[in-house]
Amino acid sequence: GNSVTQMEGPVTLSEEAFLTINCTYTATGYPSLFWYVQYPGEGLQLLLKATKADDKGSNKGFEATYRKETTSFHLEKGSVQVSDSAVYFCALKNRDDKIIFGKGTRLHILP
Amino acid sequence: GAVVSQHPSWVICKSGTSVKIECRSLDFQATTMFWYRQFPKQSLMLMATSNEGSKATYEQGVEKDKFLINHASLTLSTLTVTSAHPEDSSFYICSVHVTDTQYFGPGTRLTVL
Repeated sequence: GNSVTQMEGPVTLSEEAFLTINCTYTATGYPSLFWYVQYPGEGLQLLLKATKADDKGSNKGFEATYRKETTSFHLEKGSVQVSDSAVYFCALKNRDDKIIFGKGTRLHILP
Repeated sequence: GAVVSQHPSWVICKSGTSVKIECRSLDFQATTMFWYRQFPKQSLMLMATSNEGSKATYEQGVEKDKFLINHASLTLSTLTVTSAHPEDSSFYICSVHVTDTQYFGPGTRLTVL
């Protein structure tokens, strides 16, 4: 079946540090891949997405590349800010439109 | 993107009572909406797919008689937690599917005493 595995948190970094949150997936066919972010006290927001192999999604300085050969969609940001503190969810969607989420990674950015 | 609202944002109820949660798509007509459940510090688990004009489709392990879903119109889906118990306390989130992207509501926190 479909599944998403992402690195356990929490992840604590200093401001301006480089961020990587690993995500790998298992799926039949060719899923679309997403990163969602949940800020404290708020609902889920779409951060970025990629719909086919080698696509790169990007938004707010975050990037992730759809790697079919390694079934990965790692999230990266070159210089994090305190305002990036949130929970990040990697997710996939197959043709049935159902979203399968990873367990989430809590990110703390220290000033 | 699509705007999705939920009402109420939080609710506290006594064990044995029923609670209704509304999900509205404010600027998009949705034939399909999804209901998720999120436990503290855990991921979202899909509960059911709400279909306008027909019965909802429930995920394995979700009791359809306990979690009643009604998709009354193209902009409104409701989830009713019947005879709620403390183990039903959770964060319930709905979403609307729009062109390969899902937009999520802000969630409803249910606490059953």
